[in-house]
Amino acid sequence: AQKVTQAQTEISVVEKEDVTLDCVYETRDTTYYLFWYKQPPSGELVFLIRRNSFDEQNEISGRYSWNFQKSTSSFNFTITASQVVDSAVYFCALSEPYSKLTFGKGITLSVRP
Amino acid sequence: EPEVTQTPSHQVTQMGQEVILRCVPISNHLYFYWYRQILGQKVEFLVSFYNNEISEKSEIFDDQFSVERPDGSNFTLKIRSTKLEDSAMYFCASSEEGVKNIQYFGAGTRLSVL
Repeated sequence: AQKVTQAQTEISVVEKEDVTLDCVYETRDTTYYLFWYKQPPSGELVFLIRRNSFDEQNEISGRYSWNFQKSTSSFNFTITASQVVDSAVYFCALSEPYSKLTFGKGITLSVRP
Repeated sequence: EPEVTQTPSHQVTQMGQEVILRCVPISNHLYFYWYRQILGQKVEFLVSFYNNEISEKSEIFDDQFSVERPDGSNFTLKIRSTKLEDSAMYFCASSEEGVKNIQYFGAGTRLSVL
């Protein structure tokens, strides 16, 4: 069975601070995908990034960066120079190809001006 | 940019009534999903649909739930006899065939069962 653990529940930072959101996953599949979704106060789920199990190359996209490490089953997400608009719930998720997403419980990020 | 559209945005119903939640997936997508999120909790998978049939369903998706693709564009979730505990946000998602395999979500329908 697949499992996603987001141990942090709430994080509060001051604008311009860097913040890292942790995600640990469990799966017996050799091929799988990892995702981060953002849920702003308006409620929709916004796709941020996908990584497959064969691609451990970490990436930076603007203020966002991701650190995928298969050895520790972790897929962490960092926001650099946080902004108030980054305030949201962030979900890490896991899936097999063409299968359901298994979500973590989410991390509520509050960025204070 | 193509998006998944869900209607209505908010549905209020009486316990025991039937509701139909509607979704228009992204047009070239072939995989369709329903998820629900009880207030303040994580997003839970209900059912996936491909090639006009259910491909996977969770324990939550019992006999009171059904899905249908009545035409080439709509994808519906029916709850036959709503219960108080069905109150939640229901999300529809779709993904395309091929390497992308990214599920894009609609804005959700908030179902309130009174």
